[in-house]
Amino acid sequence: DTAVSQTPKYLVTQMGNDKSIKCEQNLGHDTMYWYKQDSKKFLKIMFSYNNKELIINETVPNRFSPKSPDKAHLNLHINSLELGDSAVYFCASSQDPGSPGNTIYFGEGSWLTVV
Amino acid sequence: AQSVSQHNHHVILSEAASLELGCNYSYGGTVNLFWYVQYPGQHLQLLLKYFSGDPLVKGIKGFEAEFIKSKFSFNLRKPSVQWSDTAEYFCALNMIKAAGNKLTFGGGTRVLVKP
Repeated sequence: DTAVSQTPKYLVTQMGNDKSIKCEQNLGHDTMYWYKQDSKKFLKIMFSYNNKELIINETVPNRFSPKSPDKAHLNLHINSLELGDSAVYFCASSQDPGSPGNTIYFGEGSWLTVV
Repeated sequence: AQSVSQHNHHVILSEAASLELGCNYSYGGTVNLFWYVQYPGQHLQLLLKYFSGDPLVKGIKGFEAEFIKSKFSFNLRKPSVQWSDTAEYFCALNMIKAAGNKLTFGGGTRVLVKP
């Protein structure tokens, strides 16, 4: 069983389109994240949700809108895609943020290419 | 603000050679430290983590890391590498905060092991 699964794995789309990436975790975790890995492999957090509530938003353009229908899902919707949005987007999850045993588990990534 | 630095961007070595990847961080408080590995085309996988206790941490696949608080370092080591260790390695730091936590990643080190 895949612990953190995200779809689609590959996505090629034109500038200006709107697209979504879905993420689901079956680990029973309370916290979910979206990370962005750029072409230079640099990883940076975008959002964090705890029990469906937004707790971290790292100066991401408002074209990016995360949606958490329940604590097992955190979807990422991107409006008006730009070339610079091309990247690998990783979903992740962890237990309660305050837990000392907190390890973050990553999904397999979604390769987004904007042309 | 906290940051993580990985000094080597690229490392090339032969099988059976020893590997050491440097990681330094800047944060004055208590930290959790991680090393993740990303094999070509795959997701991030946890190699090892340090939360507290013995500063020498052993992980999977023969990797270990040593936390030296006075040097703000968490270097990764493996005595004898294999071709299958070719991957990108990321050091990461986590601060436990009441409002949530996030992994701050270093820029990654690309390791190529020649057969």
